[in-house]
Amino acid sequence: NAGVTQTPKFRVLKTGQSMTLLCAQDMNHEYMYWYRQDPGMGLRLIHYSVGEGTTAKGEVPDGYNVSRLKKQNFLLGLESAAPSQTSVYFCASSYTGMETQYFGPGTRLLVL
Amino acid sequence: GIQVEQSPPDLILQEGANSTLRCNFSDSVNNLQWFHQNPWGQLINLFYIPSGTKQNGRLSATTVATERYSLLYISSSQTTDSGVYFCAGFTGGFKTIFGAGTRLFVKA
Repeated sequence: NAGVTQTPKFRVLKTGQSMTLLCAQDMNHEYMYWYRQDPGMGLRLIHYSVGEGTTAKGEVPDGYNVSRLKKQNFLLGLESAAPSQTSVYFCASSYTGMETQYFGPGTRLLVL
Repeated sequence: GIQVEQSPPDLILQEGANSTLRCNFSDSVNNLQWFHQNPWGQLINLFYIPSGTKQNGRLSATTVATERYSLLYISSSQTTDSGVYFCAGFTGGFKTIFGAGTRLFVKA
């Protein structure tokens, strides 16, 4: 089992560019989450999904969109990147909503 | 207001020492979890502990839900315990909220 994987590991964007981050899990988990972590801070929830075809807003959803077309994949999109979106992005998954989450290795995004 | 608050913010230990990390959480937060983020940024789940006590090797955790706090105990600390320890809970359904973390450095 690969667990939770994230693609890419690192990316540099110019302001206004778009990109998609991919999260994949092979544990048959229903719930998936996208977080951002800024320096010296805890993680903040961007969006989450409680199952294939569903998405919901988290604490800081503005400027991001998500899709869960397949159970194993959760995509995070930035339509028009801004320097304030420079961060480390983590994906996580869990089998049910009220249990421990398993995290991917993170994606470092720098927006210039 | 702050929903998940961790203390202390920073902690330096000599290898072999014991420590207790605390997490206070508000009424709207439930189902506490503890995570360790190692110096390379990897997040590892330690405990899912809505209430009661759990132990895993040198680590143990206790959550007293009625008093809205959770404690993480590290015994006989090792340099590999260094990193940031986060507690997190659920609020408003399945939304997860994290504390700011306790940064631990264990000296050899």
